[in-house]
Amino acid sequence: DSGVTQTPKHLITATGQRVTLRCSPRSGDLSVYWYQQSLDQGLQFLIQYYNGEERAKGNILERFSAQQFPDLHSELNLSSLELGDSALYFCASSVVQGGQETQYFGPGTRLLVL
Amino acid sequence: AQSVAQPEDQVNVAEGNPLTVKCTYSVSGNPYLFWYVQYPNRGLQFLLKYITGDNLVKGSYGFEAEFNKSQTSFHLKKPSALVSDSALYFCAVRDVTGGYNKLIFGAGTRLAVHP
Repeated sequence: DSGVTQTPKHLITATGQRVTLRCSPRSGDLSVYWYQQSLDQGLQFLIQYYNGEERAKGNILERFSAQQFPDLHSELNLSSLELGDSALYFCASSVVQGGQETQYFGPGTRLLVL
Repeated sequence: AQSVAQPEDQVNVAEGNPLTVKCTYSVSGNPYLFWYVQYPNRGLQFLLKYITGDNLVKGSYGFEAEFNKSQTSFHLKKPSALVSDSALYFCAVRDVTGGYNKLIFGAGTRLAVHP
């Protein structure tokens, strides 16, 4: 158990809908990262937040957005869903030790868009 | 741009035999390399990382990885495979392009250990 929690575990929805995925980082971790794992694209970085502020953006669609709240939990919002958005979405939080950072991943949310 | 490559989609090993899962990297600057494992229906678990220092890095569950600068490789190894090691293994490199910090993952290698 990494200490990173994600809810829900599974989500089934229809095209055109909007969903929110939630992530709670490990206690004390200020950074939260979101990744998407799909069969055709593999594991891809989406976005990073650090202490409430957006820090880096990767291959994140404009239909997707995220935020990190004062209690450091984060939410990933996916809207106007398409079939191709079906994937496993991971959140990771990181700890810096000795100047080096390691990311620890949550169990993921499996999204199925029908 | 930083990248890693895992040249094998699948590796098959008999239980008790040594295993190697290959990873090569392409980075500008010093490489920060990681191995993660994904068991079925589970999240990614951190195994080990190389930052600097000894070229042989020891990690969780008896795994180790050898950093080879001349061959730009970071292969994952275990002396004696277990059936329970069967999983999907990802090599990753830290990308600090633009001053930001994210992981770039390889495509993954499926390890199958058979009794």
